[in-house]
Amino acid sequence: DIVMTQTPLSLSVTPGQPASISCKSSQSLLHSDGKTYLYWYLQKPGQSPQLLIYEVSSRFSGVPDRFSGSGSGTDFTLKISRVEAEDVGVYYCMQSIQLPYTFGQGTKLEIK
Amino acid sequence: EVQLVESGGVVVQPGGSLRLSCAASGFTFDDYAMHWVRQAPGKGLEWVSLISWDGGSTYYADSVKGRFTISRDNSKNSLYLQMNSLRTEDSALYYCAKDNHYGSGSYGVDYWGQGTLVTVSS
Repeated sequence: DIVMTQTPLSLSVTPGQPASISCKSSQSLLHSDGKTYLYWYLQKPGQSPQLLIYEVSSRFSGVPDRFSGSGSGTDFTLKISRVEAEDVGVYYCMQSIQLPYTFGQGTKLEIK
Repeated sequence: EVQLVESGGVVVQPGGSLRLSCAASGFTFDDYAMHWVRQAPGKGLEWVSLISWDGGSTYYADSVKGRFTISRDNSKNSLYLQMNSLRTEDSALYYCAKDNHYGSGSYGVDYWGQGTLVTVSS
């Protein structure tokens, strides 16, 4: 199975400041079709996960442009340009190049 | 608007069986593969199972293989998870989730339901 490792596991950010989460995979997520299957989700307190970013850097419908994804191969980053109070929760990366799909441990974002 | 509504979660004894259901709406159900993903209390996300758009292909996590069966009824826009030989470690919130790839193949999950809670305890 592909192992997904996120850092840090927790993050405390002042509103208006940037935040960054790293996700590393144990194998390349680059598919033969040229796409890289790395997804980012946010699970707000008491809610189900919601898709933020798919295929490394494509924002899902309705996701604010302060969220951006980057990376390639095995190293990926989610950035929030200016954190807002509504961004609190746990962020997960997930690989979908190979079954079983696997998730990172999660990064808990809180507001200072 | 995509909606996924799970049901069927209850308290069950170890070794027991349970069938989860997921009612889908807001999209053409038989155009997409579907997933079950679970989350133990206070823990992270674990992918459980996948079924192709037509039900012809199914996949399972090793932790549930041989005990769980995923199925779908496209005429009813419904997804199911039959869970047998339940163990305490199967206790979790079970999410129904839609694949984000149209047609055959599976490339990730976009929409999630609110989950249904399964508790395996004596």
